[in-house]
Amino acid sequence: SQTIHQWPATLVQPVGSPLSLECTVEGTSNPNLYWYRQAAGRGLQLLFYSVGIGQISSEVPQNLSASRPQDRQFILSSKKLLLSDSGFYLCAWSRGGQGQETQYFGPGTRLLVL
Amino acid sequence: GNSVTQMEGPVTLSEEAFLTINCTYTATGYPSLFWYVQYPGEGLQLLLKATKADDKGSNKGFEATYRKETTSFHLEKGSVQVSDSAVYFCALSNNNAGNMLTFGGGTRLMVKP
Repeated sequence: SQTIHQWPATLVQPVGSPLSLECTVEGTSNPNLYWYRQAAGRGLQLLFYSVGIGQISSEVPQNLSASRPQDRQFILSSKKLLLSDSGFYLCAWSRGGQGQETQYFGPGTRLLVL
Repeated sequence: GNSVTQMEGPVTLSEEAFLTINCTYTATGYPSLFWYVQYPGEGLQLLLKATKADDKGSNKGFEATYRKETTSFHLEKGSVQVSDSAVYFCALSNNNAGNMLTFGGGTRLMVKP
């Protein structure tokens, strides 16, 4: 069976510090991978998605970047955090290809920027 | 473009009450439709889905029917429990690169004993 991991679970960082959140998927090959952000009390915003190693598409201009160094690893980064980067970050995967596949979500990382 | 609209919460019900959370969508072609649930402090879990018109998705007593004529996918449960308290998200997926989901804003359900 497939599993998706995210770490850390919780992170408190000062403004201006760097960020690295990691997401890994097990039990599948060549998945599509996604990063979402959920601000407090609000819906989900798609930040990035990837259909393969080194292939990253960005949905919104922002202070964040994403990388996919390995098939099942997806990293969300920032060089300098802003207060507005606080939120709940969710990673998700789906089977690769063009079909309307279900997305499966990780447990999330709660980020607080002070 | 694609969009999903769902009723704003919070929805507060007593235990064993009937639940309806409305969801309507705008999309070209034939999207797949989903309901996800988010329990406090957790990520999203797939609750149910439907991939074509008139399909009914069901799970854990929840049901939703894909109505193309009304572009709706309302979530229902006959008798809610306190443990159903969560945020519910309606979403659609259309044939596009990356298989992206479009989410509604979420509806918080609070069930009181």
